[in-house]
Amino acid sequence: GAGVSQSPSNKVTEKGKDVELRCDPISGHTALYWYRQSLGQGLEFLIYFQGNSAPDKSGLPSDRFSAERTGGSVSTLTIQRTQQEDSAVYLCASSFTWEGDNGYTFGSGTRLTVV
Amino acid sequence: DQQVKQNSPSLSVQEGRISILNCDYTNSMFDYFLWYKKYPAEGPTFLISISSIKDKNEDGRFTVFLNKSAKHLSLHIVPSQPGDSAVYFCAASPRGGAQKLVFGQGTRLTINP
Repeated sequence: GAGVSQSPSNKVTEKGKDVELRCDPISGHTALYWYRQSLGQGLEFLIYFQGNSAPDKSGLPSDRFSAERTGGSVSTLTIQRTQQEDSAVYLCASSFTWEGDNGYTFGSGTRLTVV
Repeated sequence: DQQVKQNSPSLSVQEGRISILNCDYTNSMFDYFLWYKKYPAEGPTFLISISSIKDKNEDGRFTVFLNKSAKHLSLHIVPSQPGDSAVYFCAASPRGGAQKLVFGQGTRLTINP
């Protein structure tokens, strides 16, 4: 597709369950990022993939969070044993190697609600 | 530790007037700054950027000003239009490693007819 695609668009899960969020970046983009936006907050960096390099996981809030990027394309963000504080909009973005001028292209996000 | 701050959570401006959105940063390693616009239920979209070697960048109705000594940037929209109503985020990128953008909390701009 022409843009960054994220699925599902909405997810309601019970506390303690695992969830998987999917991101399909723009074809050819080598860099992929995950951010999240909690209610009333800015965008919080989670993890960054660049080509075949080891991912930058410095933003993951706990070891319950993990992400993979298979074949340099689709990425899955997994949250284990979800907690209510995990409720947020999870945004994926992709770009070519950093071009500066245009930043990233974001998807529409997955709204996760933990009840 | 909020490295990028947007101290105004909301701003209301009359259509046709100038909208000024402000952003402050604390990290002197930041050397590239961007503004994003976000509509409800959509991802942020890139609006305009500025490098630290400049103090102004203009694109149509949008102008970004950078004051490095004050660690302050602002986005001016003139004239403001109803379609400009959205949440605006400023973001900053560190020198030498621009892979992670640091975002502010956002300012909700409402343009009143």
